[in-house]
Amino acid sequence: SAVISQKPSRDICQRGTSLTIQCQVDSQVTMMFWYRQQPGQSLTLIATANQGSEATYESGFVIDKFPISRPNLTFSTLTVSNMSPEDSSIYLCSAGERATGNGYTFGSGTRLTVV
Amino acid sequence: QKEVEQNSGPLSVPEGAIASLNCTYSDRGSQSFFWYRQYSGKSPELIMFIYSNGDKEDGRFTAQLNKASQYVSLLIRDSQPSDSATYLCAVTSRDYGQNFVFGPGTRLSVLP
Repeated sequence: SAVISQKPSRDICQRGTSLTIQCQVDSQVTMMFWYRQQPGQSLTLIATANQGSEATYESGFVIDKFPISRPNLTFSTLTVSNMSPEDSSIYLCSAGERATGNGYTFGSGTRLTVV
Repeated sequence: QKEVEQNSGPLSVPEGAIASLNCTYSDRGSQSFFWYRQYSGKSPELIMFIYSNGDKEDGRFTAQLNKASQYVSLLIRDSQPSDSATYLCAVTSRDYGQNFVFGPGTRLSVLP
């Protein structure tokens, strides 16, 4: 399974600013995903990021707020733009080949607090 | 709307007992089923996956799938305090591409 390095692990940001989260995978992978997880809650998919195409966003998430880059098969970034306290959450990236394979692995997460 | 439901927790079992975690899903086209374990403050880690009806065993873990009943379960034998975590059920279907639909999770506490 792929090993994912995610950074930063945590950050405290001022409202109105932006934060970019990076995920580096130790092998080339087709699928990369970005999730948000509120404390005590399950995972909510933000978008799917495939190399060479625009990210596909889930309902309730828009590109202007959460721009994503996927420049190659081992790297992706998620930017949380114009942050408000409601964006405080844990953000996770996930990667793998196919959902019908051995599943996907997760990065260690970024705990974001917006003040 | 594709939904995945899990038995509400927290679930408490004594050390050495069998913990039974249940998951139901609404999409009959669902194809693959995964169980993730998430310790508090950590990211989810994959522990089991199952595609075919029946049982699949891996050490102390057994996944059971019944597609007719749209039901998948995870049994943990000889539960240990280190098994205390939140267990997330994830489901995929052809109609949903390569994405997972995650259940809300069940928090398991194994009492020494």
